[in-house]
Amino acid sequence: GAGVSQSPRYKVAKRGQDVALRCDPISGHVSLFWYQQALGQGPEFLTYFQNEAQLDKSGLPSDRFFAERPEGSVSTLKIQRTQQEDSAVYLCASSSHRTVYEQYFGPGTRLTVT
Amino acid sequence: DQQVKQNSPSLSVQEGRISILNCDYTNSMFDYFLWYKKYPAEGPTFLISISSIKDKNEDGRFTVFLNKSAKHLSLHIVPSQPGDSAVYFCAASAWGRDDKIIFGKGTRLHILP
Repeated sequence: GAGVSQSPRYKVAKRGQDVALRCDPISGHVSLFWYQQALGQGPEFLTYFQNEAQLDKSGLPSDRFFAERPEGSVSTLKIQRTQQEDSAVYLCASSSHRTVYEQYFGPGTRLTVT
Repeated sequence: DQQVKQNSPSLSVQEGRISILNCDYTNSMFDYFLWYKKYPAEGPTFLISISSIKDKNEDGRFTVFLNKSAKHLSLHIVPSQPGDSAVYFCAASAWGRDDKIIFGKGTRLHILP
């Protein structure tokens, strides 16, 4: 039973490096979301895809953050020129079209920028 | 400015007793509310939800109550079990107007033996 998977689970990057975080949603799920969770906080919305269309990217903190889902399944969140404040857990969630509220989360990627 | 507030960072409850987790919200446009449960090193897991047209939704040991006039919701777990020890996030959405789900900071629940 495949849930949402994310890779890598842990990533250490030196400040200024580019990183790419991958999300494999549940098969057939139309909607895909990225969240950023800082220590001691709840997940904060970054961006939302419906199939391959990025419908909302208002939560992306800067133009260093870029997300894509070219074929409407796997998604990649890319962070360019990482900064220390980018250190967080990045969560991906997917949802079927009919139950769009009930998002199924992956385990997250913990990014540490040194 | 936090739109979804969970004012208790942690809560300890004896096994078998009732756990009550509280959540307040400020945005009157929110019309759908969710609770998620999170274990360490895992993503949040959907637990239960409630639409603003209802004031109560029950699923087994879990019941969510919504008081729209007070902009307050609560999650009741009864009886509490050791496996309920986790972080619980309250979340809210104004779907149709905004596709975001806004999460609170979470409450860590400890079930004591």
